[in-house]
Amino acid sequence: DQQVKQNSPSLSVQEGRISILNCDYTNSMFDYFLWYKKYPAEGPTFLISISSIKDKNEDGRFTVFLNKSAKHLSLHIVPSQPGDSAVYFCAASGVSSGSARQLTFGSGTQLTVLP
Amino acid sequence: DTGVSQDPRHKITKRGQNVTFRCDPISEHNRLYWYRQTLGQGPEFLTYFQNEAQLEKSRLLSDRFSAERPKGSFSTLEIQRTEQGDSAMYLCASSFRASGERFGYTFGSGTRLTVV
Repeated sequence: DQQVKQNSPSLSVQEGRISILNCDYTNSMFDYFLWYKKYPAEGPTFLISISSIKDKNEDGRFTVFLNKSAKHLSLHIVPSQPGDSAVYFCAASGVSSGSARQLTFGSGTQLTVLP
Repeated sequence: DTGVSQDPRHKITKRGQNVTFRCDPISEHNRLYWYRQTLGQGPEFLTYFQNEAQLEKSRLLSDRFSAERPKGSFSTLEIQRTEQGDSAMYLCASSFRASGERFGYTFGSGTRLTVV
């Protein structure tokens, strides 16, 4: 049962254009959503997050949009640069069955920015 | 501070052998997490510690897996009687209190386990 889904395994965009990575979730108890970037042979690196009480958060070239009614979020990268080529993971957190919080990850989208 | 360190980076073992991985978190972080990532999937939660206390374990963590954080600093993850299905990247992460779930954990580079 995948609670966080990234339905596009890969995405290619031209340098300078906008990259849009999408993510859907099913658990309405999630209250924070995060995006991580991962280069080969490295661990995931935190990129940006958004609280469920907001619909947009911006940090430089990265903007995350949240549509709670659709249980959908997206990451926009403008302008895209070749160094942005990596696997992007969407993740969500909320109160789990225990007392702790944990991150639930999607399966990732490989972004390739073409020069 | 050099971030989260994991050792070894790679481990190849024969089926049935025991393996142990080590994680050194960022020094001021009191929470430490273990995740597992298989090919084509995102990281999956295994367990987490607050200081030396193991507060939650995933059902993915079978009785062949054990994790410790004896002094609230470094942690070890041991897999006994390894199986081929244990082949994965094992990721350690740390955060200060619950900030990680809002502002991101810091992950290490992982230990890649291959069971042959």
